[in-house]
Amino acid sequence: KQEVTQIPAALSVPEGENLVLNCSFTDSAIYNLQWFRQDPGKGLTSLLLIQSSQREQTSGRLNASLDKSSGRSTLYIAASQPGDSATYLCAVEYGSSNTGKLIFGQGTTLQVKP
Amino acid sequence: DGGITQSPKYLFRKEGQNVTLSCEQNLNHDAMYWYRQDPGQGLRLIYYSQIVNDFQKGDIAEGYSVSREKKESFPLTVTSAQKNPTAFYLCASSFGGPPSYEQYFGPGTRLTVT
Repeated sequence: KQEVTQIPAALSVPEGENLVLNCSFTDSAIYNLQWFRQDPGKGLTSLLLIQSSQREQTSGRLNASLDKSSGRSTLYIAASQPGDSATYLCAVEYGSSNTGKLIFGQGTTLQVKP
Repeated sequence: DGGITQSPKYLFRKEGQNVTLSCEQNLNHDAMYWYRQDPGQGLRLIYYSQIVNDFQKGDIAEGYSVSREKKESFPLTVTSAQKNPTAFYLCASSFGGPPSYEQYFGPGTRLTVT
């Protein structure tokens, strides 16, 4: 079964710390992987998308990596700020062509303390 | 402003009634999606549409119906056959191909059925 797992479910860090969020997937045949941010009661905001042929993507203080052979992706957040507090969701599109069907992990809820 | 709108933000219905959730986008995206999110859970795909007048079932389509008569609109009907309709419903859209595969989300509709 094609699944996506995010561990830990919750994480609390002091402001300024660098941190890594983990995402694992069960099948290395993926089309792309997308990281999202969700604030309480809100929709999702796309952070980064990594295509199957790519190893990483960067946007500002965020860096996402992809290792298909090990079935893992990480989202690195540098110099964390209280405004980074949110739930971070990883989603995988499995397969060899675009279908748009994303399988989501359950998310990691991040709290950055001032 | 380009984006995805969902209305209403909160919706209350009595058990046994059908209800339709609205989703509109002005991003010129070809593909549109409906997801359901339960507390502490990731998102699960209900239905998706890659072009006008065509749509496919997602992982949890039972008790739901959709239509795609216009490129900009993808309404979701929650029927009385859906056993646990109370949830947070999110609509998304994407180009479904170049220039980008990223999915963009609306603000969501929280449906409560009593």
